[in-house]
Amino acid sequence: KQEVTQIPAALSVPEGENLVLNCSFTDSAIYNLQWFRQDPGKGLTSLLLIQSSQREQTSGRLNASLDKSSGRSTLYIAASQPGDSATYLCAVSLLNSNSGYALNFGKGTSLLVTP
Amino acid sequence: SAVISQKPSRDICQRGTSLTIQCQVDSQVTMMFWYRQQPGQSLTLIATANQGSEATYESGFVIDKFPISRPNLTFSTLTVSNMSPEDSSIYLCSVRRADSYEQYFGPGTRLTVT
Repeated sequence: KQEVTQIPAALSVPEGENLVLNCSFTDSAIYNLQWFRQDPGKGLTSLLLIQSSQREQTSGRLNASLDKSSGRSTLYIAASQPGDSATYLCAVSLLNSNSGYALNFGKGTSLLVTP
Repeated sequence: SAVISQKPSRDICQRGTSLTIQCQVDSQVTMMFWYRQQPGQSLTLIATANQGSEATYESGFVIDKFPISRPNLTFSTLTVSNMSPEDSSIYLCSVRRADSYEQYFGPGTRLTVT
């Protein structure tokens, strides 16, 4: 069974800092990895998708890397802003006989960026 | 991306009753899913909603408890039946792009069972 772990569980940083969120997974036979953002009372917003053949993806101040062989991904946020405060979820897509490529989620990292 | 809406956004229900959650997508999609997020836990896949046929349930979830309908490629419903306080969760609808397998989520339905 695929286990997805996110470290740290919570993080508080002052505005302007660069930060790294970590995600690890136990089964390296993934199809892709997706980073989401979840705001209180709202659904999930897709941030970045990395296919298993890719090493990294970038979108604005966000950069996600993938090392499939070691079962690790990092989400790098540059020049953090208070609006970045949210819970960040990592999910890996693994071939599942029931649902095709099912997403397995970590518990998330709760990020607070203080002004 | 896809725009997904869910109704209701939240509800408080009594033990033993049932609630049906609706999911509407702004475009036709092949794959639709229902997830549950219990307090302090990660998201868990309940089932894949198949258009024109019975849903495919994950281990630990059964049709009698979570019946699902999908009458067309833009709409699905999830019913939480005979509710107990343990069913208090956020229920999320999700769709997946056929080309990249990127998934998108609705805003969720926050259910509290008393």
